[in-house]
Amino acid sequence: RKEVEQDPGPFNVPEGATVAFNCTYSNSASQSFFWYRQDCRKEPKLLMSVYSSGNEDGRFTAQLNRASQYISLLIRDSKLSDSATYLCVVNMMNYGGSQGNLIFGKGTKLSVKP
Amino acid sequence: DGGITQSPKYLFRKEGQNVTLSCEQNLNHDAMYWYRQDPGQGLRLIYYSQIVNDFQKGDIAEGYSVSREKKESFPLTVTSAQKNPTAFYLCASTLRPGDSEAFFGQGTRLTVV
Repeated sequence: RKEVEQDPGPFNVPEGATVAFNCTYSNSASQSFFWYRQDCRKEPKLLMSVYSSGNEDGRFTAQLNRASQYISLLIRDSKLSDSATYLCVVNMMNYGGSQGNLIFGKGTKLSVKP
Repeated sequence: DGGITQSPKYLFRKEGQNVTLSCEQNLNHDAMYWYRQDPGQGLRLIYYSQIVNDFQKGDIAEGYSVSREKKESFPLTVTSAQKNPTAFYLCASTLRPGDSEAFFGQGTRLTVV
């Protein structure tokens, strides 16, 4: 099982649609979780962190289920500018707690059409 | 302004040559990372460094080398032993290794000609 797995894309949706991305991770020792956005031929940028209690930022809602080792991102009222690749990222600590490592999913491509 | 800077943005290399990609950060971050991204693929970890004078191999370290002589700098050398070096290379840093946002440089697009 891969360490971080995401829904295969691409997702092609009309403007105004609600779209959900899912992500599972294999290491139960994972400490922190993020969604990043990457535009074509650009560097990834943090979209939002994911907290156990769930968190919302405008049209974006992120949720974490530690028991199922599952992360989700919901985008409501999609805009053309939301078109990008969305990367699920997990920060894993080694069992000694002294080292960490960012593990990226392959990303899910979203294309919002007029 | 604080940030992380990669150079050059585009790099062309002849087969058999070593090239070094620069990564500098002035964020006072402890940890730095090098990733490789191929078209339609996710980021794959090449090397990472938690602290000055220490670094660890990632998933695809073969054909690459790094150094971390200063906290601000984490250069990556792509050696002639790397059989398929054409890719988009991304450098990142985090305040601490275990729990923080990663800041990325703008990337270096390396092409072997």
